[in-house]
Amino acid sequence: GAVVSQHPSWVICKSGTSVKIECRSLDFQATTMFWYRQFPKQSLMLMATSNEGSKATYEQGVEKDKFLINHASLTLSTLTVTSAHPEDSSFYICRASGGITEAFFGQGTRLTVV
Amino acid sequence: LAKTTQPISMDSYEGQEVNITCSHNNIATNDYITWYQQFPSQGPRFIIQGYKTKVTNEVASLFIPADRKSSTLSLPRVSLSDTAVYYCLVGDPSNDYKLSFGAGTTVTVRA
Repeated sequence: GAVVSQHPSWVICKSGTSVKIECRSLDFQATTMFWYRQFPKQSLMLMATSNEGSKATYEQGVEKDKFLINHASLTLSTLTVTSAHPEDSSFYICRASGGITEAFFGQGTRLTVV
Repeated sequence: LAKTTQPISMDSYEGQEVNITCSHNNIATNDYITWYQQFPSQGPRFIIQGYKTKVTNEVASLFIPADRKSSTLSLPRVSLSDTAVYYCLVGDPSNDYKLSFGAGTTVTVRA
């Protein structure tokens, strides 16, 4: 199946700093990228959808100025958590989609804000 | 987005067959049914996808009745490593579809 690589797999940052998470589709062109957040023992919650070259569409309740999404190419999308706080600590997962019926997810990034 | 309902948890023993049924009463004509497996601190992993009748691959089978309002994931002869959360999702893959996750089913396999 298609490969989606997410980096880093885990990151610890200080409160108030920003963190960037990368998501790459390695063997197909991802016209759409989805970003999810998952808190412990909960399901995945869709945060935003981005199409290559366009602004991301955020789900209700997700602050677009806090979670900056860039999808400048067909193989790379980034999520930047700006001015991170402890409540932003979570597991962030990307999904790349590009004209294939199956959906492939990245490995996830464990963010811990201290 | 079609809403799905599946059991919160299921227990099984090694070597047994595990069947997880998912209800999706408002599935749309273009929707496919896809199942994912997720281990702790990992992204969901694709298991199987189907539209109608039966689909089988090397790890699972998916049974879909004619009305498509439900589906059953069958895991043959589970092992301890199959302990995970299993998600049933429905959506239209032809248009870069959104996937909305339900609560999932936590399957625990015991020795």
